[in-house]
Amino acid sequence: NAGVTQTPKFQVLKTGQSMTLQCAQDMNHEYMSWYRQDPGMGLRLIHYSVGAGITDQGEVPNGYNVSRSTTEDFPLRLLSAAPSQTSVYFCASSYRAGGAYEQYFGPGTRLTVT
Amino acid sequence: GDSVTQMEGPVTLSEEAFLTINCTYTATGYPSLFWYVQYPGEGLQLLLKATKADDKGSNKGFEATYRKETTSFHLEKGSVQVSDSAVYFCALSVEGYNFGNEKLTFGTGTRLTIIP
Repeated sequence: NAGVTQTPKFQVLKTGQSMTLQCAQDMNHEYMSWYRQDPGMGLRLIHYSVGAGITDQGEVPNGYNVSRSTTEDFPLRLLSAAPSQTSVYFCASSYRAGGAYEQYFGPGTRLTVT
Repeated sequence: GDSVTQMEGPVTLSEEAFLTINCTYTATGYPSLFWYVQYPGEGLQLLLKATKADDKGSNKGFEATYRKETTSFHLEKGSVQVSDSAVYFCALSVEGYNFGNEKLTFGTGTRLTIIP
């Protein structure tokens, strides 16, 4: 199993550009999430999905869109990039084990918006 | 709301030293508690977890005990190695939140550096 994969690893955008961060998992997990990691702030949830066709907002959803057409894929779209979106983005998938959901993280995408 | 407070870093120790990284939490429900580790340039990996009071999670020589009376989940290791250098995140989730996805609430992370 490849686990959770993310592309690209690095990206530089200009303000106002759009792009899609790709995320895929091959573990057949129903639940997937996107987080952003900023210095001194831990990880914050952007959007999540509990299955194909179902998505919802996390704590910092503004400026991001998601869709979930298949169990495997959960892309994150930036519609009009802003410098405040400079961050490291992590995708995760999760399943229930031993009384709690365990999350598996991808390697991350480092995004810089100039 | 739910929150996690972690010992601020960075923490620098010599090899074979004893490690403690403090973590306390507040939660509206009855949380499960986790420690995740992030090695340089990588994503987070689950290190250990505990799902009820007095449970002890352990993995790779690390341990943490779920203390409901002190709302704590401190991470410990008896003898650290250079390979333990990483950022450690304490996190919690409360069952039933967000349609069962159990959203994770993270602490801010503690950077650990082990010197040979």
